[in-house]
Amino acid sequence: DQQVKQNSPSLSVQEGRISILNCDYTNSMFDYFLWYKKYPAEGPTFLISISSIKDKNEDGRFTVFLNKSAKHLSLHIVPSQPGDSAVYFCAASALDTGNQFYFGTGTSLTVIP
Amino acid sequence: EAQVTQNPRYLITVTGKKLTVTCSQNMNHEYMSWYRQDPGLGLRQIYYSMNVEVTDKGDVPEGYKVSRKEKRNFPLILESPSPNQTSLYFCASSPLGAGEYGYTFGSGTRLTVV
Repeated sequence: DQQVKQNSPSLSVQEGRISILNCDYTNSMFDYFLWYKKYPAEGPTFLISISSIKDKNEDGRFTVFLNKSAKHLSLHIVPSQPGDSAVYFCAASALDTGNQFYFGTGTSLTVIP
Repeated sequence: EAQVTQNPRYLITVTGKKLTVTCSQNMNHEYMSWYRQDPGLGLRQIYYSMNVEVTDKGDVPEGYKVSRKEKRNFPLILESPSPNQTSLYFCASSPLGAGEYGYTFGSGTRLTVV
């Protein structure tokens, strides 16, 4: 059973506009939520994370929002750049499962110049 | 440079021929894990290890074996590969309790079983 879901397989955005990637989860015990970015022929790389005690975390052009009541998180990229074109995975973990991370299926973002 | 190194990057093999994909990390991480990535299914965990000589099954362990004899190495073994194991494989590592920072991933191994 998929505990972390990304319902949009792909997203296209014009350069300079905002990209919003969404992720839903089912396990209310998750403590940390992460976003990874993956380019073709490379492994996923860590992008940004948020603890369950926060509702927002910002790092430069990237902001992650967490809505615990809706079991929903989103990644905002502002402004979007062509180099942001990649597959984005969200992931979640619970303290009582140690280092176990559960991944979504990924969203392929294309930023159009 | 801190990294997770997988070898080989690409591998084509025939059904039933045993193979090993190596994984090594130089960050002294306790935790190591193998994932496979398939279209529409995302990253699914095969096996993981929380320390030397401690391994456990992930979500899709059938057809795979692992060992953790040394802290830095975590090889993935396919004793009798089948075409449904054609996939992109990633090794990952982290310190224990790395909730906030997640894993460091290797560059991947593209396996084709014919």
